[in-house]
Amino acid sequence: QVQLQQSGAELAKPGSSVKISCKASGYTFTSYYISWIKQTTGQGLEYIGYINTGSGGTNYNEKFKGKATLTVDKSSSTAFMQLSSLTPDDSAVYYCARGVIPGYWGQGVMVTVSS
Amino acid sequence: DVVLTQTPPTLSATIGQSVSISCRSSQSLLHSNGNTYLNWLLQRPGQPPQLLIYLVSRLESGVPNRFSGSGSGTDFTLKISGVEAEDLGVYYCVQSTHAPYTFGAGTKLELK
Repeated sequence: QVQLQQSGAELAKPGSSVKISCKASGYTFTSYYISWIKQTTGQGLEYIGYINTGSGGTNYNEKFKGKATLTVDKSSSTAFMQLSSLTPDDSAVYYCARGVIPGYWGQGVMVTVSS
Repeated sequence: DVVLTQTPPTLSATIGQSVSISCRSSQSLLHSNGNTYLNWLLQRPGQPPQLLIYLVSRLESGVPNRFSGSGSGTDFTLKISGVEAEDLGVYYCVQSTHAPYTFGAGTKLELK
């Protein structure tokens, strides 16, 4: 069955970076893009961007350019999102999902930014 | 950015009742390729969202057929024909026609 297994919760200091992983299984990894979505209580769901898992090409929401960097490792069927220059506003649950129309979702990673 | 306005924000229903959720877009979601990329998600408490309906009215595999979607242009509706207990949660519409893709604020379905 299709599964997207995300890495564990992160507690980070302001100004630092975190790298979240999303390991796919149960399907051919390079057949679907991977999307990344941010969820907060205040802002709801926000689409960060997606990555072409075959070519590595990316498409970002302008709001997250410079904040998020999406990469893939085809050899391990894993997608990554690095969040840089963290501020408290980056505290959220981050999801990866299969496809540009997000079908299967990972379980989410809670990122907390606090000094 | 495209703004999706969902109504109502909260919906109280009894088991077996049929309900509808509206999603209105600030601009047409008809893509130049002829598709309309309006999709519906359900997020149950403590769970990630799951895709219910894509391309306005196509049921995702495994989703019960009591769920249906309709609409065109800027006005869309999700209907549940006979609410079941497992349907409780927050429903979101999401558009993937215009970048950046955007979500509605959600409609919480709760038991009356």
